[in-house]
Amino acid sequence: SSELTQDPAVSVALGQTVRVTCQGDSLRTYYASWYQQKPGQAPILVIYDKNNRPSGIPDRFSGSSSGNTASLTITGAQAEDEADYYCNSRDINSNHPVFGGGTKLTVL
Amino acid sequence: EVQLVESGGGLVQAGGSLRLSCAASGFAFNRYWTHWVRQSPGKGLVWVSRINEDGSSTNYADSVKGRFTVSRDNAKNTLYLQMDSLRAEDTAVYYCARSKVGVTNTYYFDYWGQGTLVTVSS
Repeated sequence: SSELTQDPAVSVALGQTVRVTCQGDSLRTYYASWYQQKPGQAPILVIYDKNNRPSGIPDRFSGSSSGNTASLTITGAQAEDEADYYCNSRDINSNHPVFGGGTKLTVL
Repeated sequence: EVQLVESGGGLVQAGGSLRLSCAASGFAFNRYWTHWVRQSPGKGLVWVSRINEDGSSTNYADSVKGRFTVSRDNAKNTLYLQMDSLRAEDTAVYYCARSKVGVTNTYYFDYWGQGTLVTVSS
């Protein structure tokens, strides 16, 4: 399958840890990248190559991968982390980029 | 500072055409693959098309193949998306994005424009 599957919504209490997951067959071969998108804004890259953070991304964001699942973990979630999160990887059939459906993260 | 600025969006009737532009600055445009990604209202991100550094290689999502054409002018640091035979389902914000290649030969998008809205009326 070329799809990447994400939970539609996840919530976390302020200051707690939350994991956002992404499942797909391609993740057994290819690393995922993760993007944060706030309402009315363009996506920004938060994790690439499984667990690398671009400059300026807080270290509370981390990534991991096991089998067909990639995960984005936010350790000590802040109010400003409330956003949609998308995973992205490579379609094993077409070799084209593919995105997950997105997870809406609510910080309570 | 890396910047990508899209333009050219607007309202068009079904069956019509539109050309989007993405002006790049702050980096060596001719050294990067660049992509178009779209987002329909209230929906997720969908990859549309990509073009390599010198424009000799292009790829498209099945949903736009044969109707959209991606191109670039490296002398003008500009990426284009020619959209023909537009359909209501093409209504979306269109983002251009720069990509790099990761260690597993997978693209990731390190810079994005702010997007331009295309509305196709039926």
